[in-house]
Amino acid sequence: DAGITQSPRHKVTETGTPVTLRCHQTENHRYMYWYRQDPGHGLRLIHYSYGVKDTDKGEVSDGYSVSRSKTEDFLLTLESATSSQTSVYFCAIRERGGLTGELFFGEGSRLTVL
Amino acid sequence: QQQVKQSPQSLIVQKGGISIINCAYENTAFDYFPWYQQFPGKGPALLIAIRPDVSEKKEGRFTISFNKSAKQFSLHIMDSQPGDSATYFCAASSGGGSQGNLIFGKGTKLSVKP
Repeated sequence: DAGITQSPRHKVTETGTPVTLRCHQTENHRYMYWYRQDPGHGLRLIHYSYGVKDTDKGEVSDGYSVSRSKTEDFLLTLESATSSQTSVYFCAIRERGGLTGELFFGEGSRLTVL
Repeated sequence: QQQVKQSPQSLIVQKGGISIINCAYENTAFDYFPWYQQFPGKGPALLIAIRPDVSEKKEGRFTISFNKSAKQFSLHIMDSQPGDSATYFCAASSGGGSQGNLIFGKGTKLSVKP
């Protein structure tokens, strides 16, 4: 298994509270991604990072921010959680210039916003 | 907007049968087409991938068929087994897979009945 750890794995929170999800990798891969998975929508890219302090928006970035201060950690923050952000969040990593372009996913963080 | 359209949403197949999942894309710049497999409670994992220089790629019981002119590709699972029951995602990207971000289809939930 790729060395990806997501925390917390499960979280229940209330509307309006801040939430931070953490992705930690031991592979020293350059690229890191945050996706959300919802029934009927598949996997949608929230934000991604192509290096320390280098991040960019994905398809569904509104309401989310990210930070990457170290190669191994990529944080996803919901400044003020809403019920529409109830979802399963997946972190993924990819080796720079990897020939296969393969993404390695973590096991997900299930977030429920009440 | 770049899209990858996947069908069907769900599929029930008898053990030993052939499972077929179809995807269509719009962006002619896409040149890397992977399929990911996801079991309940787990993150997606790369199953098989193809580039448009070939029309078919086979790995064991899994085959990708690619039709560049129609902008379509499909996954065939031969001799389907109950252990193949999972959600399957097609995806596409440009830059040969090592650059552009993956755009995922909405997924197909496959159930293989014994």
